[in-house]
Amino acid sequence: DGGITQSPKYLFRKEGQNVTLSCEQNLNHDAMYWYRQDPGQGLRLIYYSQIVNDFQKGDIAEGYSVSREKKESFPLTVTSAQKNPTAFYLCASSPRQVAYNEQFFGPGTRLTVL
Amino acid sequence: AQTVTQSQPEMSVQEAETVTLSCTYDTSENNYYLFWYKQPPSRQMILVIRQEAYKQQNATENRFSVNFQKAAKSFSLKISDSQLGDTAMYFCAFMKHPANAGGTSYGKLTFGQGTILTVHP
Repeated sequence: DGGITQSPKYLFRKEGQNVTLSCEQNLNHDAMYWYRQDPGQGLRLIYYSQIVNDFQKGDIAEGYSVSREKKESFPLTVTSAQKNPTAFYLCASSPRQVAYNEQFFGPGTRLTVL
Repeated sequence: AQTVTQSQPEMSVQEAETVTLSCTYDTSENNYYLFWYKQPPSRQMILVIRQEAYKQQNATENRFSVNFQKAAKSFSLKISDSQLGDTAMYFCAFMKHPANAGGTSYGKLTFGQGTILTVHP
């Protein structure tokens, strides 16, 4: 089955630790995205990548980092510099060549800082 | 920068009735795309419907239709014959047209705050 997988589903982190969230897709999509979802604020874009080895900052990139070494994978690292990392994180992908790309979303990772 | 506003935090409707969710946006762009996404309790985001700004005709997908008012920058979603499975959070979202975004910066979605819709039996 084609789709987007995110792991783990739940993640707990101690303050001061970096943590990496995984996102993998087998849809052969060129573009991938990371969003953060907080209650009452909708989804906000953290980072996105349209092609391998290239990525752009979104609206709330501070305290996060990404890499795009393979088309299928777009891991997100939440660093200790992120002041309030507890949130629900969603990964998405889309085919680059379509004009108004539908973004397909993964099931999400719930990150809690203890 | 674009902003998207959903002024209704929560809505409810009886099964089989019709409900309309509101969305307004602010942009200086002339060509863009608008979307409604649904997030049920499973938290899986699903595209409901999309609209291209240069098209006059309102988009429809089965029981879902939009009322797109470009001059007013309004994009409401109408759900007809509401079903229990429509219970979800609904997000309105905006995307620049790729021709206006430039380079590899296109594809950004700007979301509203969401409206929680509950369908009652």
